[in-house]
Amino acid sequence: GQQLNQSPQSMFIQEGEDVSMNCTSSSIFNTWLWYKQDPGEGPVLLIALYKAGELTSNGRLTAQFGITRKDSFLNISASIPSDVGIYFCAGQFGGAGSYQLTFGKGTKLSVIP
Amino acid sequence: DVKVTQSSRYLVKRTGEKVFLECVQDMDHENMFWYRQDPGLGLRLIYFSYDVKMKEKGDIPEGYSVSREKKERFSLILESASTNQTSMYLCATTRQGAREQYFGPGTRLTVT
Repeated sequence: GQQLNQSPQSMFIQEGEDVSMNCTSSSIFNTWLWYKQDPGEGPVLLIALYKAGELTSNGRLTAQFGITRKDSFLNISASIPSDVGIYFCAGQFGGAGSYQLTFGKGTKLSVIP
Repeated sequence: DVKVTQSSRYLVKRTGEKVFLECVQDMDHENMFWYRQDPGLGLRLIYFSYDVKMKEKGDIPEGYSVSREKKERFSLILESASTNQTSMYLCATTRQGAREQYFGPGTRLTVT
């Protein structure tokens, strides 16, 4: 299946800094999902986006569904040590009846206390 | 909250063994998925099921089979394990009509 381009691959930031990461695709998606995975654990859903231009927050996390439908962004404000992990984007092409997701390869976040 | 459990967190098997990985969900979701996750390759879909006894191949079904005899349970079977099947295996579920997938904690399988 098609891969999403997720960037950056990794980032090191100081505690308290804001973080931005993004995913881009050559094709249109109807849904964007953002997950976080801690070492040795399964991904946990953070934010789901369903329409172009949508901006959704979950605590210090904010994600946006790009207007072109080909990209999405995740921002983390005032990072803390427990934000460490790998963040994945996932996109879905079809409507509600289409179940398959396409995943980015992840952004590994390290937070320096 | 959605609860997805996987039978083992860590598993070590020998080449040629038959391996069963089991996933159980308690939210009455219709759709269940098996992925493997490898460094540099991301998550890849092996099989999915949208109903009891129904299955569809994903992107990398070779060397695997699945079984779904009950709605809450989806099993991944490695008929004859090989070293290139050493990986993290993740189960996910979603209800009919929904788009979000919910993952289990994963099984780290090592084949020696």
